[in-house]
Amino acid sequence: DSGVTQTPKHLITATGQRVTLRCSPRSGDLSVYWYQQSLDQGLQFLIQYYNGEERAKGNILERFSAQQFPDLHSELNLSSLELGDSALYFCASSENRTGGTGANVLTFGAGSRLTVL
Amino acid sequence: GQSLEQPSEVTAVEGAIVQINCTYQTSGFYGLSWYQQHDGGAPTFLSYNALDGLEETGRFSSFLSRSDSYGYLLLQELQMKDSASYFCAVRDRAAGNKLTFGGGTRVLVKP
Repeated sequence: DSGVTQTPKHLITATGQRVTLRCSPRSGDLSVYWYQQSLDQGLQFLIQYYNGEERAKGNILERFSAQQFPDLHSELNLSSLELGDSALYFCASSENRTGGTGANVLTFGAGSRLTVL
Repeated sequence: GQSLEQPSEVTAVEGAIVQINCTYQTSGFYGLSWYQQHDGGAPTFLSYNALDGLEETGRFSSFLSRSDSYGYLLLQELQMKDSASYFCAVRDRAAGNKLTFGGGTRVLVKP
């Protein structure tokens, strides 16, 4: 157990639907990151939050949105789902947001596997 | 923007040594990280280099040359359990400090 909790572990839904993925960071970590990993692909950065504020944005689709709440958990909302959105979505957390080893040691959750049919 | 290049696949036998190279392009380099991911699993942190030189952690070592925008991960005394994908990653202060991962190198260890 890495300390980063993601729910649900698996999700099967239909095109056009909307889903919410949830992440609780490791205790003490203020930064939360979301990554998308399609089959046999690398990790595509979506978005990063630090202590409730958005800090960095990747190539996140307009159909996707995220937020980090005061208790530091984060949610990734995916709407108008398409077949190509099927992927593993990882949440990760780190101690801080910028330089130093702490910011570069990301602890990943087990991922949420989304299948869009 | 950022870009990272690493080989897609490497095959070696148990007990051998494997070097995974990573070249990167960033405009505000912080450091180079390495992560391991087994099939179906989550990435796990292996090492981080902010300064030039070699960092050794058990059978794994990581090297960085900032002037060459190059680093490598060295896997020694390969074991079957080392079969996994290995990702290099850089944080770019000019890109909002996001941590960008390379495409990954799949290492296959054969008996």
